[in-house]
Amino acid sequence: EIVMTQSPATLSVSPGERATLSCRASQSASSNLTWYQQKPGQAPRLLVYGASTRATGIPARFSGSGSGTEFTLTISSLQSEDFAVYYCQQYNNWPLTFGQGTRVEIK
Amino acid sequence: EVQLVESGGGLVKPGGSLRLSCAASGFTFSSYTMSWVRQAPGKGLEWVSSISSSGSYQFYADSVKGRFTISRENPKNSLYLQMNSLRAEDTAVYYCARGLSGMDVWGQGTTVTVSS
Repeated sequence: EIVMTQSPATLSVSPGERATLSCRASQSASSNLTWYQQKPGQAPRLLVYGASTRATGIPARFSGSGSGTEFTLTISSLQSEDFAVYYCQQYNNWPLTFGQGTRVEIK
Repeated sequence: EVQLVESGGGLVKPGGSLRLSCAASGFTFSSYTMSWVRQAPGKGLEWVSSISSSGSYQFYADSVKGRFTISRENPKNSLYLQMNSLRAEDTAVYYCARGLSGMDVWGQGTTVTVSS
């Protein structure tokens, strides 16, 4: 099983600032990596798939990068609606596995 | 409108069974792999199971293998999750989602509580 580890657990950021979220895989996930955003009481929302391809309707301030075991989600200028929990998930191997999440909170 | 609507959640005793359903609309259901993902209270996301577009292939998390069965009825645009031998640790919101390599459509979730 590929274990996904996200860091930091919580990220405190001021609106307008840049946020960088990390996701590390215990073995190579190639580029088979997605990022989701989840707000309280809501279902997750797909942000990025294939490590770097933005999903339909996702603003350009969200960008994904990386391959193999190291991945990054960058939010270039945080908006108020971006404060949420973010999860990475690999689909390179069965079972599919999620990271434990990074909470992005207002500083 | 592309939509997934789950149903079938509820309160069940340990060892009991429950069948979740997911009704799809607004897209060609039979063309997509479908998945179930759960979230225990206050916890992160956990993949549960996926099924290929034809239903020929099913995949399960170790935590549910042998107890849960995923299935689908393409003519009815429906996805199911039969859950047997339920345990307290199965308590969660269960989401159905379209796809697995980028789950791009999610339902609102249905809550399963396993408690005596």
